[in-house]
Parts: sequence; C-alpha cells; structure tokens
Amino acid sequence: KAGVTQTPRYLIKTRGQQVTLSCSPISGHRSVSWYQQTPGQGLQFLFEYFSETQRNKGNFPGRFSGRQFSNSRSEMNVSTLELGDSALYLCASSLGSGATEAFFGQGTRLTVV
Amino acid sequence: GQNIDQPTEMTATEGAIVQINCTYQTSGFNGLFWYQQHAGEAPTFLSYNVLDGLEEKGRFSSFLSRSKGYSYLLLKELQMKDSASYLCAVRSDSGGYNKLIFGAGTRLAVHP
Repeated sequence: KAGVTQTPRYLIKTRGQQVTLSCSPISGHRSVSWYQQTPGQGLQFLFEYFSETQRNKGNFPGRFSGRQFSNSRSEMNVSTLELGDSALYLCASSLGSGATEAFFGQGTRLTVV
Repeated sequence: GQNIDQPTEMTATEGAIVQINCTYQTSGFNGLFWYQQHAGEAPTFLSYNVLDGLEEKGRFSSFLSRSKGYSYLLLKELQMKDSASYLCAVRSDSGGYNKLIFGAGTRLAVHP
C-alpha cells in the first residue's frame, strides 16, 4: 500500500511570506501528526489531528496552524515566515494516537531566506 | 517537564555490538519507540516497548525499565548500512491524548 506522501519535497520562501505543506496519510489512517526537525533541536511536536479535530498541540507560536480534511489528508500552514522556521517538516500517520507504530513521510525541506 | 536524553554520537566497528541508551522523564508514559533515520530520509520504525523487558527483532533489540525511566537499543552484527541516527521517542498521554516526544537522536557511525 502507498506510504505517507508529503508535498512539496523542497520549498524556498522569503521572510514574511506564508507557506502551506500537505500530508496524505496511509489509507485507513485517521491520525496525522506534524513535527519540525532541526539539527540542534531534533524532532519537535507541532500538532496532531484525528478525524478533522486537533487533539494535541506542541509549544509553537500561533503562526503555525493546521487542519485535516474528511479524507484524513492534512495541511499545515506557517504565516509570517522567519529565518528560524527553516527546517525539515515531517508528518506521521497512524491508525490512532494509541497505535504501536507511526509511519513518517519523506518530509518537506523548507528554507527561509 | 518532559525530558529525553540520549548520547549525541557513537562510533562502532562493523560486526560488533553497540548499545544506545535513552533516559527519560515524562508524565503520562504510554510507551517508548525507537526509530532509525538515515541522512536526508524519513525516520523508520524499529521497535516499541510498553512493558518492562526486552523485545527482540532480528539484529535489533530494545529494552525498557519503566521504574528507572530507561531504555536501550541493542544492535548486533553491525553493518555499514546501520550508520544512521537513532531516535528515542516517548509517547505521553498527559493532557488526554497521546503525543510522541523525541530525543535529539544518537548519530551512529559504523566503520570497517
């Protein structure tokens, strides 16, 4: 079966712009979580969506937001981009947040210049 | 607070055994995961422990002691392709719903 698909794979944006990233989970998976990965900080939890509802949120400013659609596809949006937002953004899908396995997409590499 | 510690870097020789330790302090512990991540790639699932003890899966084994807040990943018969980052992640259900909290990762270099 198809894995987790994230688009786009690479993105270059200018400070102050906004960006939208997309994640299509594995078919049948209803939970999608988003993470930011930077060399110094490792993977930092952004938020988790399940059945179109945000159930959990990490310690990120309000510029980071997301949503989930009825087909479980999820998007995350970052507004007013800052240089420090440059990172690899990963999404993970699972059957539910209590699942014993979560599958990651290849990620979107965002560079803010 | 939530805290997960693992060594930043380790080196080992091809064919040898290496143990990567992970200590954690989290509320609402609900399982511990190990992931492998090669440079430029997505993390891939290796193991999951929720009860104390050892889980073995081929060349990889993972151990958990909940009372000590401690886990390790054991890699046997090391191969060059095992050079990667290994991520320890704790699932926490504080706040009502589960979320994964990751350590910074251990970069393992396997040399001939």
